[in-house]
Amino acid sequence: EAGVAQSPRYKIIEKRQSVAFWCNPISGHATLYWYQQILGQGPKLLIQFQNNGVVDDSQLPKDRFSAERLKGVDSTLKIQPAKLEDSAVYLCASRSQGVWAEKLFFGSGTQLSVL
Amino acid sequence: EDQVTQSPEALRLQEGESSSLNCSYTVSGLRGLFWYRQDPGKGPEFLFTLYSAGEEKEKERLKATLTKKESFLHITAPKPEDSATYLCAVTPNTGNQFYFGTGTSLTVIP
Repeated sequence: EAGVAQSPRYKIIEKRQSVAFWCNPISGHATLYWYQQILGQGPKLLIQFQNNGVVDDSQLPKDRFSAERLKGVDSTLKIQPAKLEDSAVYLCASRSQGVWAEKLFFGSGTQLSVL
Repeated sequence: EDQVTQSPEALRLQEGESSSLNCSYTVSGLRGLFWYRQDPGKGPEFLFTLYSAGEEKEKERLKATLTKKESFLHITAPKPEDSATYLCAVTPNTGNQFYFGTGTSLTVIP
């Protein structure tokens, strides 16, 4: 079974530039999550999709971050304009649905450095 | 408010020195508690799911237990390859949210 794919693996940009990250979840997984993980901290949820609808984006800084999930499959996360404090690893995760809680499967993440 | 707290933040063990990591949680109805392992530069990797108080799961040198307020990850006779950050997460009955703690960074010294 193919895992969660993310690209790019690394990105270095200057502040005020824009950047986009891509995620392809495991086939058939209806729920997709974007997390931000700052060095030394646990993952913080940015946005959660159920199919192509947003379930929770309460912690997404909407003045600069945006995300979409086209056709309920791939997703992109964009930052425009980037700030120094956006330097972090951006993790994408997906989850199947079932009666009981199902675990998240994570991609390897995109490491963003804002200079 | 749903919350997950892990302790200690960092732990250094000699090879073979057993210990436990703690995860305390506050959630409006627990659907599941998860333990993940994260190696540097990688995404978290699933270890265990626990659903109800009293439940235990084991895998090699790791054993996870759950009470109504907290979970423990017991590491027996650890090896250097067990060095990683261990993350705890909970998902509540009210939805598909997934809340993570800040993790425990484990270093096992040969």
